[in-house]
Amino acid sequence: GQNIDQPTEMTATEGAIVQINCTYQTSGFNGLFWYQQHAGEAPTFLSYNVLDGLEEKGRFSSFLSRSKGYSYLLLKELQMKDSASYLCAVRDSNYQLIWGAGTKLIIKP
Amino acid sequence: TAGITQAPTSQILAAGRSMTLRCTQDMRHNAMYWYRQDLGLGLRLIHYSNTAGTTGKGEVPDGYSVSRANTDDFPLTLASAVPSQTSVYFCASSAGSDGSSSQFFGPGTRLTVL
Repeated sequence: GQNIDQPTEMTATEGAIVQINCTYQTSGFNGLFWYQQHAGEAPTFLSYNVLDGLEEKGRFSSFLSRSKGYSYLLLKELQMKDSASYLCAVRDSNYQLIWGAGTKLIIKP
Repeated sequence: TAGITQAPTSQILAAGRSMTLRCTQDMRHNAMYWYRQDLGLGLRLIHYSNTAGTTGKGEVPDGYSVSRANTDDFPLTLASAVPSQTSVYFCASSAGSDGSSSQFFGPGTRLTVL
């Protein structure tokens, strides 16, 4: 079967750095996405990786290792507004997105 | 700058009743999707449409139907609601269904079936 694993919840301090991991087992791979979802709101797109390596976008970076079935989202200089759930999703061989359950990130002052 | 709109925002529905959740996008995206989101689970795909006039079944299609008569609209119908269909429903769209096309989500419909 297809599976996306992420930690359920993480806590970090304002101004710090946090890494959210995602491991996946899917039928085929056509890219990995990270989305942010604030409580009660819709998911919004953060990043896309299809080749191995690091993609940097401001305070957020995303890394992919296809051989390990592994990705992480790195958030730097954490702000209170970063408190949200972070969703990892993999596009499989049928080009459908398979979603992880999300990691709830709690930022403390 | 609407993007994707969904209606209603929330609804309480008696079991056995039918209901249509509406979704409209103004971005001229080819692909549209319906997901349900339940606590502790990832988004699960109900139905999708890669282009107007075509639809396909996702991971959890039973009890739901869709149509795609034009590019902009993608309604989801529950023919006879059951309590297990209590969930938050998100409609999404993307320019394409492959490559780096990211999905844009509507605000969601919170449905409670009693």
